Amino acid sequence: GQNIDQPTEMTATEGAIVQINCTYQTSGFNGLFWYQQHAGEAPTFLSYNVLDGLEEKGRFSSFLSRSKGYSYLLLKELQMKDSASYLCAVAGGYQKVTFGTGTKLQVIP
Amino acid sequence: GAVVSQHPSWVICKSGTSVKIECRSLDFQATTMFWYRQFPKQSLMLMATSNEGSKATYEQGVEKDKFLINHASLTLSTLTVTSAHPEDSSFYICSAQQGGFANSPLHFGNGTRLTVT
Repeated sequence: GQNIDQPTEMTATEGAIVQINCTYQTSGFNGLFWYQQHAGEAPTFLSYNVLDGLEEKGRFSSFLSRSKGYSYLLLKELQMKDSASYLCAVAGGYQKVTFGTGTKLQVIP
Repeated sequence: GAVVSQHPSWVICKSGTSVKIECRSLDFQATTMFWYRQFPKQSLMLMATSNEGSKATYEQGVEKDKFLINHASLTLSTLTVTSAHPEDSSFYICSAQQGGFANSPLHFGNGTRLTVT
């Protein structure tokens, strides 16, 4: 089966850095995604990791350790618009993508 | 980039009626599309995998006779909620993938908010 854990909520200050962690146990692994979802909207793609290491894309970076079943999303220079839910999702066998429950991030002034 | 269009964005229907939701890949062909459901303050739950030209694969606990999926072409999948009840009220989101995961993530439609009265 699939089990994905991430914190339910986080609060961070505008301009700061925040790290959102995700741990997973899955049957089959074809990569890990991070998505951003604003309330009432569909998720939007942020990053994809399939090999160990850090992927950097502008203010957002994502890290993966397959041996530890662990990933994190790093957001730098936080902006108010970054307030959203961040979903960790794992691609398992048969192209199935399973989502974690999401981390609701609140950015405060 | 890859675009997935979902229609309608929202729908209100009476209990006992059926509702059809369309999901289209606009600039790529998708042999596989996925249908998710999301209840308030919860994550996306995979309902079924829609396969072009063959039967959909449903997740455990999802009634295939209630949630009819048709994937008649490489760019269109439909989800029909039959005999809808208030407990079916939810946010339904489709997604499609262009190529393998290494080259393309899942792209999501904008979702359909279904309210059954």
